[in-house]
Amino acid sequence: QVQLQQWGAGLLKPSETLSLTCGVNGGSFSDYYWTWIRQPPGKGLEWIGEMHQSGSSRYNPSLGSRVTISLDTYGRRSSLTLASVTAADTAMYYCARGGVWFEGFDSWGQGILVTVSS
Amino acid sequence: SFELKQPPAVSVSPGQTARIPCSADALSDQYSYWYQQKPGQAPVLLIYRDSERASDIPARFSGSSSGTTVTLTISEVQAEDEADYYCQSVAKSGVYVFGPGTRVTVL
Repeated sequence: QVQLQQWGAGLLKPSETLSLTCGVNGGSFSDYYWTWIRQPPGKGLEWIGEMHQSGSSRYNPSLGSRVTISLDTYGRRSSLTLASVTAADTAMYYCARGGVWFEGFDSWGQGILVTVSS
Repeated sequence: SFELKQPPAVSVSPGQTARIPCSADALSDQYSYWYQQKPGQAPVLLIYRDSERASDIPARFSGSSSGTTVTLTISEVQAEDEADYYCQSVAKSGVYVFGPGTRVTVL
């Protein structure tokens, strides 16, 4: 049974960099794309991007070049970095996994609320 | 751009059937997925590849596809099914896209 555990700073000022980490306990690490998804308060879900341990990665164009996802294969961790945050980046951030042969995001972290406020 | 459309809300009485449609142009070209999200919790995968039930999901949840519309059906609705439900698919660009969500209220 896989468990995803997230941590990171929950309060940022505008222009700062968001940094979150997701630890993966159990299950395969290599068979999945490690994904980040966010949800503004009271709103729907937005896919941020994903990365596989092969180095293959994809990002949502709506976030431009501000977003980077990295993996620590040996530590079984996925990390999200989002630069130059604004109030519009205030959201619950989830890590999740999606299979190489995509069958949905079948496991999710608990989520971290990141608030951007001056 | 590729957008998924869902009704904002559906109301259903206990024991009845709730149907939640999700539509988009070219949706027939891609698989669709369904998630349930209860307040304060992370989403849970219910249905993958249009109609396959995810692990440990009760049989009262089912998915179907017809043309550019996919539908999540909840049979014999229970009070615990009150939640937000999101459809998800993949745009031609490869971006994963979610619908705006449908709030199911059990009367």
